[in-house]
Amino acid sequence: DQQVKQNSPSLSVQEGRISILNCDYTNSMFDYFLWYKKYPAEGPTFLISISSIKDKNEDGRFTVFLNKSAKHLSLHIVPSQPGDSAVYFCAASAVNSGYSTLTFGKGTMLLVSP
Amino acid sequence: NAGVTQTPKFRVLKTGQSMTLLCAQDMNHEYMYWYRQDPGMGLRLIHYSVGEGTTAKGEVPDGYNVSRLKKQNFLLGLESAAPSQTSVYFCATREYKSPNQPQHFGDGTRLSIL
Repeated sequence: DQQVKQNSPSLSVQEGRISILNCDYTNSMFDYFLWYKKYPAEGPTFLISISSIKDKNEDGRFTVFLNKSAKHLSLHIVPSQPGDSAVYFCAASAVNSGYSTLTFGKGTMLLVSP
Repeated sequence: NAGVTQTPKFRVLKTGQSMTLLCAQDMNHEYMYWYRQDPGMGLRLIHYSVGEGTTAKGEVPDGYNVSRLKKQNFLLGLESAAPSQTSVYFCATREYKSPNQPQHFGDGTRLSIL
């Protein structure tokens, strides 16, 4: 059973607009969440993270929101740029349970058109 | 991705052949991971290591073996390759200092088994 779900396989946005990528999780033990970005033929690169003690974390154009009660997080990119076109993976970890591993969603492909 | 080097980048095998994928890191990270990425499946953890001489099974360990004889290297072995193991394999590392440290990925090994 998938513990981290990204229900939108793809998203298309115009340059300058907001991109919103969503992620849901089922395991209540998860307490740390990360977003990774992946370009073709490259490995994933870390983008932004959030701990379960927060509901928002911001880094430049990227903001992650966490709604623990709904087991939902979202990544906002404002303004979107063509260079943001990539696959975005949501990942979760149960840090306080001592686990060292991440559980990934299936990814959302973002296409930002000029 | 500086710091995590995967060898080889591409390989074609015949069913039943064996091979070893090498992951080398120069960041002195304690934790190392092997993932596979299949279309529509996201990243799935095969095996991981929390330190030199230690290994543990991930989500999809069957058909693979690993070794971590040196801190900087993590080897993934396929003893008898099967077409179902056709995939892109990613290695990742993480510092031990804080459980909130993100994982750093290599650029992947694309493996085709005929």
